[in-house]
Amino acid sequence: SYVLTQPPSVSVAPGQTARITCGGNNIGSKSVHWYQQKPGQAPVLVVYDDSDRPSGIPERFSGSNSGNTATLTISRVEAGDEADYYCQVWDSSSDPVVFGGGTKLTVL
Amino acid sequence: EVQLVESGGGLVQPGGSLRLSCAASGFTFSSYWMSWVRQAPGKGLEWVANIKQDGSEKYYVDSVKGRFTISRDNAKNSLYLQMNSLRAEDTAVYYCARAQRAAAAWFDPWGQGTLVTVSS
Repeated sequence: SYVLTQPPSVSVAPGQTARITCGGNNIGSKSVHWYQQKPGQAPVLVVYDDSDRPSGIPERFSGSNSGNTATLTISRVEAGDEADYYCQVWDSSSDPVVFGGGTKLTVL
Repeated sequence: EVQLVESGGGLVQPGGSLRLSCAASGFTFSSYWMSWVRQAPGKGLEWVANIKQDGSEKYYVDSVKGRFTISRDNAKNSLYLQMNSLRAEDTAVYYCARAQRAAAAWFDPWGQGTLVTVSS
């Protein structure tokens, strides 16, 4: 089955840029979606189709995808961005929906 | 406002059954694929099942095949998950989510979730 690998944690100071990676075999050929989940809350979509933002999501959130790595970039990080972030793709070879293990973003 | 509201969770013994419901509002329910995604306590997200707009196609994660059944009632704007032969490892918050597209879809929005605890 297809596997998505995320770092367990990323730490960044306020105002700096956070980059959360999502690794997978030839992930650049797939559409990658990203979700933010704050404690006790449901996930919220922050990026879809590699780099598109839903309405209401700040421009500080952006995405890219190439080769074996997709990246969620959060610019000018704020304390309110502290959350778990999950990447997700569809894969036709096995279970169609695959999530990464999640990355906890800590704002120092 | 687009809204999804789950219900039906609770405590059930191993081997027991439970039926989850998800009430949709604020959008044309019959036009969308719908999904269930779960999250075990302190763990990550795990997709459980998908269902096509008319219910003619259904897909499941291997670990629930033969035990869980996803269904929908478009007249009632409702999504369901019938869970049988429950195991301790099925303990999780179960979210319903709207899928945007048939393939390569993303999920937006999500409901608030309903907790299922399988324990004796």
